[in-house]
Amino acid sequence: EAQVTQNPRYLITVTGKKLTVTCSQNMNHEYMSWYRQDPGLGLRQIYYSMNVEVTDKGDVPEGYKVSRKEKRNFPLILESPSPNQTSLYFCASSLRGSGVTYNEQFFGPGTRLTVL
Amino acid sequence: AQSVTQLGSHVSVSEGALVLLRCNYSSSVPPYLFWYVQYPNQGLQLLLKYTTGATLVKGINGFEAEFKKSETSFHLTKPSAHMSDAAEYFCAVRPTGNQFYFGTGTSLTVIP
Repeated sequence: EAQVTQNPRYLITVTGKKLTVTCSQNMNHEYMSWYRQDPGLGLRQIYYSMNVEVTDKGDVPEGYKVSRKEKRNFPLILESPSPNQTSLYFCASSLRGSGVTYNEQFFGPGTRLTVL
Repeated sequence: AQSVTQLGSHVSVSEGALVLLRCNYSSSVPPYLFWYVQYPNQGLQLLLKYTTGATLVKGINGFEAEFKKSETSFHLTKPSAHMSDAAEYFCAVRPTGNQFYFGTGTSLTVIP
């Protein structure tokens, strides 16, 4: 089944304790992205990756790191989490597309993170 | 900076009534436009998209949207609401470049 998986789905941690949220897709998509969803703010893009070893900042990259060593995986790293990073996080992927078409993003189920 | 505005964070309609969810964007060039739906405790699912060509786009579950360049709008409609349409709806744009921008979402309630 074509899908984007995220782990863990729920995480409660404390300020300053490094954590990684994994994201994996089995669709051979070039483009992968991380978003955070907050009430009243919608989804905001944190980082995205156009392909292996190619990453770029979205609108809210502060406090986050990413890496893209393999095409299928795109982990999100919080080196020193703070309470303002409490949020619902989504990973997404898509075929890169070109020309007149651009393929839609497929979203993972989300990771609910609470930082105390 | 790009922006996407969804008018009305909460919309209520009666079952069988017209659904209209509004989306306006700011972009100097026509972007790619998307509508996504999010059911409780789930990820986002694509409803429809506009890239180029016909400005009236049909999507899944009877939804459609019309791209109006002069109004910089991409409103989502459905002629007759069903109880199963109750969800959060997000408009998204991809201007030139590789970033996506989402609106703040509209929560749709369908009243029996």
